[in-house]
Amino acid sequence: AQSVSQHNHHVILSEAASLELGCNYSYGGTVNLFWYVQYPGQHLQLLLKYFSGDPLVKGIKGFEAEFIKSKFSFNLRKPSVQWSDTAEYFCAVNLMDSNYQLIWGAGTKLIIKP
Amino acid sequence: GAVVSQHPSWVICKSGTSVKIECRSLDFQATTMFWYRQFPKQSLMLMATSNEGSKATYEQGVEKDKFLINHASLTLSTLTVTSAHPEDSSFYICSVPRLPDTGELFFGEGSRLTVL
Repeated sequence: AQSVSQHNHHVILSEAASLELGCNYSYGGTVNLFWYVQYPGQHLQLLLKYFSGDPLVKGIKGFEAEFIKSKFSFNLRKPSVQWSDTAEYFCAVNLMDSNYQLIWGAGTKLIIKP
Repeated sequence: GAVVSQHPSWVICKSGTSVKIECRSLDFQATTMFWYRQFPKQSLMLMATSNEGSKATYEQGVEKDKFLINHASLTLSTLTVTSAHPEDSSFYICSVPRLPDTGELFFGEGSRLTVL
């Protein structure tokens, strides 16, 4: 079965540290890729997305992600995190050739120490 | 501002009672809405797809008689947890597609259900 793997369930960083959250998926067809974020007490919202074109996509709040098709990966990065980035991050993959199923990763809780 | 509104945010009920959760699309009409369940330390689990004017489509393993979905209008879908039991305690989230079949979603705030 198709799956999305987020390698880290919990990440703790200090402010100004660089961030990379891993996301790998198992599906050989066409995909749309997403990172969603859930700040404490708030609803899930879109951070960034990849549909086609430049595999390096930029999202809100200085986040970016790179789609590497050969590695089935869509890792999320930010060069310098802030305390306000504390949140839970979810990677999601839409299987465009398989009934548009949206498969979710388990999420990564990111805590930024001030 | 919020695009999808969910109510109530928190609900505590006794075992055996039924609980209704509403999901409203605020700024646009939604022929489709999705209901998710979020377990602690786990990914979102799609429970069902709510279709305006027709029956909901349930995912494998989700009891349709237990989780009743009604999508009576283009802006409102409801999820009713019938005869709730403690194992139904969870975080329920509705979402509305921004664009059909792309995977891009707007989410409600979620509803935390606790069954005593």
